[in-house]
Amino acid sequence: DAKTTQPTSMDCAEGRAANLPCNHSTISGNEYVYWYRQIHSQGPQYIIHGLKNNETNEMASLIITEDRKSSTLILPHATLRDTAVYYCIVRRPNFGNEKLTFGTGTRLTIIP
Amino acid sequence: DTAVSQTPKYLVTQMGNDKSIKCEQNLGHDTMYWYKQDSKKFLKIMFSYNNKELIINETVPNRFSPKSPDKAHLNLHINSLELGDSAVYFCASSQVLPGAGMETQYFGPGTRLLVL
Repeated sequence: DAKTTQPTSMDCAEGRAANLPCNHSTISGNEYVYWYRQIHSQGPQYIIHGLKNNETNEMASLIITEDRKSSTLILPHATLRDTAVYYCIVRRPNFGNEKLTFGTGTRLTIIP
Repeated sequence: DTAVSQTPKYLVTQMGNDKSIKCEQNLGHDTMYWYKQDSKKFLKIMFSYNNKELIINETVPNRFSPKSPDKAHLNLHINSLELGDSAVYFCASSQVLPGAGMETQYFGPGTRLLVL
């Protein structure tokens, strides 16, 4: 699975959009981009994933560049409860043998 | 209505003891996992089971033995506990999406193990 690079930490004001970047320059054609987050003392939580098209769900939007070498997770109206470590993970389908390889992630702090 | 549950939430024990952590999922998923998060917050896969069969074993010491009595349960037994086993252990489950092979993993709340 391709390696990802994320900033170590970011701050965002409450109510503003939080934009979390992720570089995955070695991504291959069949690899998906996944985002998970871990709120303090809880288990990781799935946010969103995509292959090449932009995706949106009730939690966030995922923007993937045309060359697929980077992506941005957008939390449109950040709240204090969005303070967490956000993990960008790139992985290919591996039927029946899935695993998530977590990096160090981005620690996002929402400022009141 | 907890999707993935773990017991106990906290476990404090002496070095050398044997302990078990239990995990149950009510999502009807075929695959279950154990992850370990150490004091530096690195989260790593340990094992995965698909329909009660061991699929992934990430060079974990054989003091760790997962047991899957049915596909809704994956328990982790640890023999001869060592100080370095202190960590948070997360159970997860997933279901392969038809035609895509990709799945979302759902994590439990974690078991905080402290070995003294």
